[in-house]
Amino acid sequence: KAGVTQTPRYLIKTRGQQVTLSCSPISGHRSVSWYQQTPGQGLQFLFEYFSETQRNKGNFPGRFSGRQFSNSRSEMNVSTLELGDSALYLCASSLGLTSSTDTQYFGPGTRLTVL
Amino acid sequence: GENVEQHPSTLSVQEGDSAVIKCTYSDSASNYFPWYKQELGKRPQLIIDIRSNVGEKKDQRIAVTLNKTAKHFSLHITETQPEDSAVYFCAAYNNNDMRFGAGTRLTVKP
Repeated sequence: KAGVTQTPRYLIKTRGQQVTLSCSPISGHRSVSWYQQTPGQGLQFLFEYFSETQRNKGNFPGRFSGRQFSNSRSEMNVSTLELGDSALYLCASSLGLTSSTDTQYFGPGTRLTVL
Repeated sequence: GENVEQHPSTLSVQEGDSAVIKCTYSDSASNYFPWYKQELGKRPQLIIDIRSNVGEKKDQRIAVTLNKTAKHFSLHITETQPEDSAVYFCAAYNNNDMRFGAGTRLTVKP
């Protein structure tokens, strides 16, 4: 089975621009979660999508948004980029079971640099 | 919401020694506790996990223990090797919400 894939792997943007990141989950997985990883804040949960619906959301401003398509692929969008948005953005996929039997698998991440 | 604390933030051990990393969580409803290993420049990889109905789980040199009453869980690595050097993250999962600890940078000196 192919693992979780993310595109692009690297991205450089300037302040005020917007960016869209893509994540393709493992085949059969219906849940996609997004995380922001920075040296100072560690791994922080952004949001989780399941069956095209946002099921959970972390404490990030409205500039961060996402969506999920019928094939479970997910995109996240960050508008009006700020310098502090520079980070590694990781997505993780899982079956999406609402039980303790679910396991998340991470993609390689997209490294976003905001200049 | 859930809050996960992880200690220590850095850990240095001699090859062959054991390493222990501890995490505490705040939400008693959390029911799944994975541990991830992240090598430099790579994605986090699941190394072991434990469900809330189990107190201990072992996989070769790696073990995890869970104390639900005290709301803490620990990762134990025995006979450490230089390739164990990485950042380790604990996490607590409840109701589709996964919260991570801040990470422990483990260095194993040959």
